[in-house]
Amino acid sequence: KQEVTQIPAALSVPEGENLVLNCSFTDSAIYNLQWFRQDPGKGLTSLLLIQSSQREQTSGRLNASLDKSSGRSTLYIAASQPGDSATYLCAVRPGYGNKLVFGAGTILRVKS
Amino acid sequence: DADVTQTPRNRITKTGKRIMLECSQTKGHDRMYWYRQDPGLGLRLIYYSFDVKDINKGEISDGYSVSRQAQAKFSLSLESAIPNQTALYFCATSGYPSTGELFFGEGSRLTVL
Repeated sequence: KQEVTQIPAALSVPEGENLVLNCSFTDSAIYNLQWFRQDPGKGLTSLLLIQSSQREQTSGRLNASLDKSSGRSTLYIAASQPGDSATYLCAVRPGYGNKLVFGAGTILRVKS
Repeated sequence: DADVTQTPRNRITKTGKRIMLECSQTKGHDRMYWYRQDPGLGLRLIYYSFDVKDINKGEISDGYSVSRQAQAKFSLSLESAIPNQTALYFCATSGYPSTGELFFGEGSRLTVL
């Protein structure tokens, strides 16, 4: 059974700092991995989707990497801003058509 | 307007009541999903549907039922609500064939007293 773990559970950083959020999964046979952002009381917004054949994806200040062999993904946020404060969720799709398996998320607070 | 719309956004009800949460989407996707979110547990899949005639149980389907009324509509019912069904419920969609990317609604917060 695929399990997804996110570390740390919460993170507080000063504005401008570069930071890394970690996601690990137990079974390396995945179809893709998706990073989401969730603002309080809101739904999930897709940030980046990495297919199993890819090593990384970039969008603006965000860069997500994938290392299937070690069962890890990282989300790198450059030059963090207070508006980046949210919960970041990692989810793995074990195979095409299968359901996503979510981590519990990392709560990020960027202090101004 | 949001691509994935959930109603109601907030609902408070009593134990034993029947509750329906509705989801509609304008993305033209075939696949729709219902998840619940609890603090510290992440999102867990309740039911999913790959087309109008297809309904599948997720990991926590007990106490829930669904109806796929049309490609664009997928509703979740709690036949007899209980307090441990208090949670934030999300509807999501994905296309086929597709990259597998999921798109979420804004959530329905349900409180069962």
